[in-house]
Amino acid sequence: EIVMTQTPLSLPVTPGEPASISCRSSQSLLHRDDGNTYLDWYLQKPGQSPQLLIYALSYRASGVPDRFSGSGSGTDFTLKISRVEAEDVGIYYCMQRIEFPRTFGQGTRVEIK
Amino acid sequence: QVQLVQSGAEVKKPGASVKVSCKASGDTFTSYGISWVRQAPGQGLEWMGWISVYEGNTKYAQKFQGRITMTTDTSTSTAYMELRSLTSDDTAVYYCAREGGSGWYFWFDPWGQGTLVTVSS
Repeated sequence: EIVMTQTPLSLPVTPGEPASISCRSSQSLLHRDDGNTYLDWYLQKPGQSPQLLIYALSYRASGVPDRFSGSGSGTDFTLKISRVEAEDVGIYYCMQRIEFPRTFGQGTRVEIK
Repeated sequence: QVQLVQSGAEVKKPGASVKVSCKASGDTFTSYGISWVRQAPGQGLEWMGWISVYEGNTKYAQKFQGRITMTTDTSTSTAYMELRSLTSDDTAVYYCAREGGSGWYFWFDPWGQGTLVTVSS
């Protein structure tokens, strides 16, 4: 199965400052046939169910602020928050969906300094 | 807007089985798949398996093979996940998530509210 590795596991941030989370996969998530990269990002806010942030590497889900962006290629991916707000605290997970079983990264806990 | 509402918390003894339900509303139930994801206390997300609501096809994570069954009832727009031979390691919050999308790509959205399953003697 594809192993997803996130860094850092904990990220203290200052409101208004940028933040970045890395995710690496043990195999390429680029689908040769359709050219899509099968990498999603989810955010689990405290006490809530996970919610979709980014799909297909870089597409923001409906209602997601444009301060969130996803990038990368092949096996290395990044989620960036241009200016962190207090409501962005929680645990961020990357997930691959190029093959079964779907696998998640360990999660990155973002907290306000 | 699609909503997934899960059944309530369960307490089970080791060796028992649990069946969690996930009722969908607000969209055509047969148009998508349902994945189940669990989260042990203080831990990350673990994908357990997927079912195609329309065809009934399933994919299970290897670690659950032989003791998990996912089903759907299209008449009530409900998905079920049954896990057997429970141990304390199965204590977790279990989530269902719709695997829907735009045709060229699929994603997990929305998620159910989660069902806490506690396994304790």
